[in-house]
Amino acid sequence: DADVTQTPRNRITKTGKRIMLECSQTKGHDRMYWYRQDPGLGLRLIYYSFDVKDINKGEISDGYSVSRQAQAKFSLSLESAIPNQTALYFCATISPPPQNIQYFGAGTRLSVL
Amino acid sequence: KNEVEQSPQNLTAQEGEFITINCSYSVGISALHWLQQHPGGGIVSLFMLSSGKKKHGRLIATINIQEKHSSLHITASHPRDSAVYICAVLNRDDKIIFGKGTRLHILP
Repeated sequence: DADVTQTPRNRITKTGKRIMLECSQTKGHDRMYWYRQDPGLGLRLIYYSFDVKDINKGEISDGYSVSRQAQAKFSLSLESAIPNQTALYFCATISPPPQNIQYFGAGTRLSVL
Repeated sequence: KNEVEQSPQNLTAQEGEFITINCSYSVGISALHWLQQHPGGGIVSLFMLSSGKKKHGRLIATINIQEKHSSLHITASHPRDSAVYICAVLNRDDKIIFGKGTRLHILP
């Protein structure tokens, strides 16, 4: 099993639809992150969480929400999808200090038509 | 100005050449990561540095905390090294900030 699993891997949806991207990890780490990647802009942080009661906004949280259902699960929702949310989305977790190793999911390619 | 700057943005080299990719940052950090992203999109962690130097096979990563600068070196480069290399810092609030990446193309 992968350390970090994202579902779905690909999704095509229409403007206005609500969708959820799921992420689960088997590493037992507290810190989990959601990023989006756009050509020319690199990876940008959407939300991050340090435990089930701790949710923090990243630099581009508008239009997104998250849920940390358990230590292992961190979901990203688009309440009403819009075309400029078309991107590659990554979930990641980081091991505790001092190791601080990042583990990435394989990514979800989302297209909003 | 971006908090994490990488150079060059694009690099094309011949097989066998020594490659250097640079990363400068302007924030206080607890760790710096070098990541590799292949054309298929997957991202893997190459190194985590908080000081000094690390080596893994043909890859070497260094960091100078005082100068807020890190370099990734590839010795005896090979076409399979072609990928995007991303520098990312973990700041003191445990937020990750990424550079925009360096696209490396090694010609056979």
